[in-house]
Amino acid sequence: AQRVTQPEKLLSVFKGAPVELKCNYSYSGSPELFWYVQYSRQRLQLLLRHISRESIKGFTADLNKGETSFHLKKPFAQEEDSAMYYCALSLNTNAGKSTFGDGTTLTVKP
Amino acid sequence: DTEVTQTPKHLVMGMTNKKSLKCEQHMGHRAMYWYKQKAKKPPELMFVYSYEKLSINESVPSRFSPECPNSSLLNLHLHALQPEDSALYLCASSQEDFIAKNIQYFGAGTRLSVL
Repeated sequence: AQRVTQPEKLLSVFKGAPVELKCNYSYSGSPELFWYVQYSRQRLQLLLRHISRESIKGFTADLNKGETSFHLKKPFAQEEDSAMYYCALSLNTNAGKSTFGDGTTLTVKP
Repeated sequence: DTEVTQTPKHLVMGMTNKKSLKCEQHMGHRAMYWYKQKAKKPPELMFVYSYEKLSINESVPSRFSPECPNSSLLNLHLHALQPEDSALYLCASSQEDFIAKNIQYFGAGTRLSVL
């Protein structure tokens, strides 16, 4: 069965500092990886998708199949980045079924 | 309209009550989902509907009964719930084409309290 691990429940950085939220997955096939974000009092929304290979709000994430990782990075964190971040995995063989990691709460201090 | 709308926002019910949660989307998505989310925990998948047919039931107790009357609507009927069923219930939808099928759009949720 597939599994997503986010080793840090809480992460705190100062504004302007680099930030990396870790995500590791276990699945022998070729999954699709996502980062979802939930800002305070807002709904869960897609931040990044690995096949898009784009930067959203300054965040990037690279799929490393060798290390089975999909870490989320931003070179200069902003206070508005404070939120809960979930890494999720979907199998292309099972349309729409996503497995979520436990989430990392990011706090960016002024 | 690019939103998934859930009603009600809050619901308090007794263990003998029958209530329903509603979810609506007008994005033309043909896959719809129910998730349960406890505080400080990730969403847990309950049900998936694809083209109005139930395709995944994650061994959810029968006191939760999903219904998909048409491609825009998804209901979750609740009966004889337990206090431990108190949680945020999230609805989501996605397209069914190969490129976009795994991107899910979430509603704001219904916060359910079972007394």
